[in-house]
Amino acid sequence: RKEVEQDPGPFNVPEGATVAFNCTYSNSASQSFFWYRQDCRKEPKLLMSVYSSGNEDGRFTAQLNRASQYISLLIRDSKLSDSATYLCVVNPLSGGYNKLIFGAGTRLAVHP
Amino acid sequence: GAVVSQHPSRVICKSGTSVKIECRSLDFQATTMFWYRQFPKQSLMLMATSNEGSKATYEQGVEKDKFLINHASLTLSTLTVTSAHPEDSSFYICSASTGKAEAFFGQGTRLTVV
Repeated sequence: RKEVEQDPGPFNVPEGATVAFNCTYSNSASQSFFWYRQDCRKEPKLLMSVYSSGNEDGRFTAQLNRASQYISLLIRDSKLSDSATYLCVVNPLSGGYNKLIFGAGTRLAVHP
Repeated sequence: GAVVSQHPSRVICKSGTSVKIECRSLDFQATTMFWYRQFPKQSLMLMATSNEGSKATYEQGVEKDKFLINHASLTLSTLTVTSAHPEDSSFYICSASTGKAEAFFGQGTRLTVV
């Protein structure tokens, strides 16, 4: 079983749509969780951290369910510029050692 | 946010030659840097953890004699792909941590071995 699993997509949605991505992780002791965004042929960039209580940043909402080892990302009012690959990322260790484990990513394509 | 610079961004080399990739943290000291590899349409795979002043820790299946990592200072780590072959063609990315949760990535190096 992969350490971090995501639906690869692609998700093809019209502008303005709401889209949700899911992710599961295998290490129940994992400490930190993130969503990164990666554009084609570019480095990943942090979109948002994911907290146990759930957190929101503008049109983006992330949630964590530790019991189910499940992370989600919700994008509301999709924009063309949201088209990218979204990476679910888990840090299995506490502290500053960021040995990040990446999911394979979910591709999102927003069309006019 | 913190800045990590990776160089070169793109390199084409002949089979059998070696290629060095540099990763620098420009505005912070990184005691630990990480090297990833990404094949097309696949996830980033951690290759090794680079520790300043000590030997790198390699992930299972990564040949340490082929992928030489040096972390001579708190701001510079290098990855050398030795005796490169076409199957080594990939996107190599480094990341560095400030000690907090977020990791910062270099721009990546696209290696093509012909």
